[in-house]
Amino acid sequence: AQSVTQPDIHITVSEGASLELRCNYSYGATPYLFWYVQSPGQGLQLLLKYFSGDTLVQGIKGFEAEFKRSQSSFNLRKPSVHWSDAAEYFCAVGDRDDKIIFGKGTRLHILP
Amino acid sequence: KAGVTQTPRYLIKTRGQQVTLSCSPISGHRSVSWYQQTPGQGLQFLFEYFSETQRNKGNFPGRFSGRQFSNSRSEMNVSTLELGDSALYLCASSLGAGALYEQYFGPGTRLTVT
Repeated sequence: AQSVTQPDIHITVSEGASLELRCNYSYGATPYLFWYVQSPGQGLQLLLKYFSGDTLVQGIKGFEAEFKRSQSSFNLRKPSVHWSDAAEYFCAVGDRDDKIIFGKGTRLHILP
Repeated sequence: KAGVTQTPRYLIKTRGQQVTLSCSPISGHRSVSWYQQTPGQGLQFLFEYFSETQRNKGNFPGRFSGRQFSNSRSEMNVSTLELGDSALYLCASSLGAGALYEQYFGPGTRLTVT
């Protein structure tokens, strides 16, 4: 069965520091991959998505992610975080039935 | 353009009761998906409706059901509520069906079962 693993439940970084959130997936074919962000009391917002082509994907709010087939990974990065980036981040994969399966999420804390 | 709206935003129910949650998609969107979010299980897919037809269903018991109306608005119903049904229920709408189309999420309905 398809699955998504986000190994870090919480991550804390200082404002201005770089960020990398890890995501590994299990999927037989080329997956559709997504990163979403959820701020407190809000729904989810799509940051970026990968369907095919260039393995480095640019998203909104300065985020990017790289698809690495050999490692079954789709890590999210940002060169310099802002206090407003504190939120929960979800990696997700679209499975063969077109359902979207989410990871358990990584909560990002920002130190001033 | 108005976003996805969900009503009510908060709900408290007693075990054994039933509940109906409503979702109004973005104008022009024909697909509505429902998710259950809990601290332990995370986000789990419930079902997707497209053009009034259930297109996909997650692994939930038959107590969870839904429907979609001709104006694309959707409702989900949970019968015989259990304590474990306490969760944030999120609705998402998209132009088309399936993972290819970007999903826009509503703020959710927080259901507490006592």
